[in-house]
Amino acid sequence: SQQGEEDPQALSIQEGENATMNCSYKTSINNLQWYRQNSGRGLVHLILIRSNEREKHSGRLRVTLDTSKKSSSLLITASRAADTASYFCATDGKYGNKLVFGAGTILRVKS
Amino acid sequence: EPEVTQTPSHQVTQMGQEVILRCVPISNHLYFYWYRQILGQKVEFLVSFYNNEISEKSEIFDDQFSVERPDGSNFTLKIRSTKLEDSAMYFCASSVAGSSYNSPLHFGNGTRLTVT
Repeated sequence: SQQGEEDPQALSIQEGENATMNCSYKTSINNLQWYRQNSGRGLVHLILIRSNEREKHSGRLRVTLDTSKKSSSLLITASRAADTASYFCATDGKYGNKLVFGAGTILRVKS
Repeated sequence: EPEVTQTPSHQVTQMGQEVILRCVPISNHLYFYWYRQILGQKVEFLVSFYNNEISEKSEIFDDQFSVERPDGSNFTLKIRSTKLEDSAMYFCASSVAGSSYNSPLHFGNGTRLTVT
């Protein structure tokens, strides 16, 4: 399959702490994307990193990509209770037109 | 901000019945997708659609499934004869360009399908 695993499966932290989630994949990619899902809702795009990029920032989000290890990480700094959600990475598989999602990390931020 | 809308939000049907899930993608988007998420599990790709034809489909998308863009705004997923295991949240998504062109997907809030 195209997608690997994310870890951890679940993460519980205190408000103000940083949260780091990791993602691995198996095939060559054009880009890797991170999405957020609040309970019972649709997925919301957070950030896209291209295969020729190593790091990208957007507000409190920092994404890294290591294509040699086929892995990515999402760092959320200074977390807030409102960051409580599931976070998914997704890869495009370089050819074709589909985005394949990982199993996700459930993040709980306690206030 | 434009958004993808899906109707109904919840559909209950009996096993063996046909269901049609409806989506209105964002108006200037050219690529359309259906995904499903069984409760507590991962988001699974079903099908992508571009230029009025299926671009890619997964193994899940068998002969019981079909998609259609009947007019300039709607995008539908039909399940011909529902099974209990079709119970899931179905998400529609759209994008300006294909995922290989670094284009993010915009998702609707889903239709929860319950097959009894």
